[in-house]
Amino acid sequence: QVQLVESGGGVVQPGRSLRLSCAASGFTLSTYGMHWVRQAPGKGLEWVAVISYDGGNKYYADSVKGRFTISRDNSKNTLFLQMNSLRAEDTAVYSCAKYSGDYHCIEYWGQGTLVTVSS
Amino acid sequence: QSALTQPRSVSGSPGQSVTISCTGTSSDVGGYNYVSWYQQHPGKAPKFMIYDVTKRPSGVPDRFSGSKSGNTASLTISGLQAEDEADYYCCSYAGRFTLVFGGGTKLTVL
Repeated sequence: QVQLVESGGGVVQPGRSLRLSCAASGFTLSTYGMHWVRQAPGKGLEWVAVISYDGGNKYYADSVKGRFTISRDNSKNTLFLQMNSLRAEDTAVYSCAKYSGDYHCIEYWGQGTLVTVSS
Repeated sequence: QSALTQPRSVSGSPGQSVTISCTGTSSDVGGYNYVSWYQQHPGKAPKFMIYDVTKRPSGVPDRFSGSKSGNTASLTISGLQAEDEADYYCCSYAGRFTLVFGGGTKLTVL
């Protein structure tokens, strides 16, 4: 079955960087667009970024544009999120998510990895 | 990229019906028939309950239904059950592969 397992979260000081990974299994990663979504403690879901199946198209939420970079390595079934110039307001659980072209929405979510930005 | 607007909370007694609204703009909800709804229990990953405004994936009870009028989508849950108590989020396609979520609605079953 589909599994998405995030890693790389932790505590980081404001202004520093962190790289998140998402290991995908149970499906062929190279045929699906993938998203990152975050959820701050006690808050709602916020869409962060998307990458097309081949990595040719990438789009970002205004709140992270210019600071975050989404990428993928289909040969290793892995999705990445490079986060630079981190701010306190970036503190959240970050989840990778598999988009379904059939359902036109996110079909599967990982459990997420917690990123805490604090001095 | 403003979040879609949902009521913060709704409530209903077992057996009753509740409706959760989700208001966006012509650039998202109003512009595409790609609205989905997610149910999230505490500490769990979201589960999609409705896609393409009105459709249910297999396994989702027909007590859950969706609709849309203009820039506002709605999720109706009929025959409320205790296990329906959760947070609900709407999500809309917003063009160029992007998505936008609602702020979430906490459903309390009284």
